[in-house]
Amino acid sequence: EVQLVESGGGLIQPGGSLRLSCAASGFIVSSNYVIWARQAPGKGLEWVSVIYGGGSTYYADSVKGRFIISRDNSKNILYLEINSLRAEDTAVYYCARGISGYGGFDYWGQGTLVTVSS
Amino acid sequence: EIVLTQSPGTLSLSPGERATLSCRARQSVSKQDLAWYQQKPGQAPRLLIYGTTSRATGIPDRFSGSGSGTDFTLTISRLEPEDFAVYYCQQYGPSPPMYTFGQGTKLEIK
Repeated sequence: EVQLVESGGGLIQPGGSLRLSCAASGFIVSSNYVIWARQAPGKGLEWVSVIYGGGSTYYADSVKGRFIISRDNSKNILYLEINSLRAEDTAVYYCARGISGYGGFDYWGQGTLVTVSS
Repeated sequence: EIVLTQSPGTLSLSPGERATLSCRARQSVSKQDLAWYQQKPGQAPRLLIYGTTSRATGIPDRFSGSGSGTDFTLTISRLEPEDFAVYYCQQYGPSPPMYTFGQGTKLEIK
């Protein structure tokens, strides 16, 4: 059974850093493409970053230079390092698995909440 | 950058009625790169349709997707009480790789 479980969210001050984790089971992260997406309170979904099976990474303009996506193949875990946090980064952060050959995502984690506030 | 515009913003219907949700892209989208999701309060998005027309595993056949180019549609043939939620379309654009969500359509009980 495919599962994605995010962790690492919390309350962080502006300018701070945090590392989110997404533990995957039922599939191999390094053989798929996986994204991070986020949803600010009461708002819609926003794509944040993607890492492909070959290791290529891409970012939304809103987070480029501040966020870093990575993975640990031995642990089958995806990470999102978020730096220079701003109030507008407050959101639930989701990881999701991409469908091979398509541009959609079939499995999503339950999300982890990041709150940026002093 | 491809922008997806969903309409209407809110759709008020009764159980048993037919729902038609629209998603319009500013540039042409490949059929394999258009997906639809359902999201209920406090829950993660749930994939309904991928590749414009393919239903995800376990999705009832009252949900169907159609469209091409810049205009795509999600149709729910006969609304069930559990279908009232927010629906998002999403696309993939290759140059550079990026993923875009529409702003969502809230389907509410009339």
